[in-house]
Amino acid sequence: GAGVSQSPSNKVTEKGKDVELRCDPISGHTALYWYRQSLGQGLEFLIYFQGNSAPDKSGLPSDRFSAERTGGSVSTLTIQRTQQEDSAVYLCASSSPGLAGGGRQYFGPGTRLTVL
Amino acid sequence: GQQLNQSPQSMFIQEGEDVSMNCTSSSIFNTWLWYKQEPGEGPVLLIALYKAGELTSNGRLTAQFGITRKDSFLNISASIPSDVGIYFCAGQNYNNAGNMLTFGGGTRLMVKP
Repeated sequence: GAGVSQSPSNKVTEKGKDVELRCDPISGHTALYWYRQSLGQGLEFLIYFQGNSAPDKSGLPSDRFSAERTGGSVSTLTIQRTQQEDSAVYLCASSSPGLAGGGRQYFGPGTRLTVL
Repeated sequence: GQQLNQSPQSMFIQEGEDVSMNCTSSSIFNTWLWYKQEPGEGPVLLIALYKAGELTSNGRLTAQFGITRKDSFLNISASIPSDVGIYFCAGQNYNNAGNMLTFGGGTRLMVKP
C-alpha cells in the first residue's frame, strides 16, 4: 500500500504565473487535506475534502487559491497569479473518515513552491 | 480560533540525554497527535492520544494527554542522532466537517553525537 504521493516535488515559477499541485491520497481514504508550511514554520490549514460533501475552504488565504478533487481520489491545488509570498511547501494529507480515522492524518512529502 | 503553543521552539542536546516538549491550548481537544518531520519530508505520525490522562509509549517515545484536555507532552528518552527533526503537536476536534487538526509551531531538535 503506497502512501500519499505529491507532484511535482519542486516547482519554480515566475510571479504572475499559475501553478497546479497534485495529490494522490492513500487508497480508501475519503478525507483529504491541503496545508501550507512556510520556511521554519508550522502547518497552515488550507482546504479539506470529505467524500462527496462540499469542501471546507475556510483556510484558503485568497481567491487566487482553489482546489478540486475528482472522483473522490486525486486532488489538485491551483494557485493563480502566483506571488512571492506564496513560496512555501504545500503538504497534502489523507485520513479514514470520521471517528474510525481517529484524527490520524498521513502526509505526503510535499511540493516545494518557489515564486521568483 | 484555537491556538496551540508548543515549547521549546528548539533544543540542542547531547546524545543520550532525555528530551521533553509540550503543547498547551486555549481550548480543549478530543485527540492529541505528535508528528515528526525530517528535512524534505512530510510529517510522520508518532503517537495518537484519545483520552484525557492517557499515557502512551512508542519505543523511546512517551506522550500524555493532559487531564484538562488542553495540553500534551512528548518525552524522548536516551536520544540518538536520528531523533533530529522538527516535532509537531496537533489537536483535533471532530465535528461535522471532519477531523480538523490544529498544529503547534514545532520543536526543532538537534542532537550532538
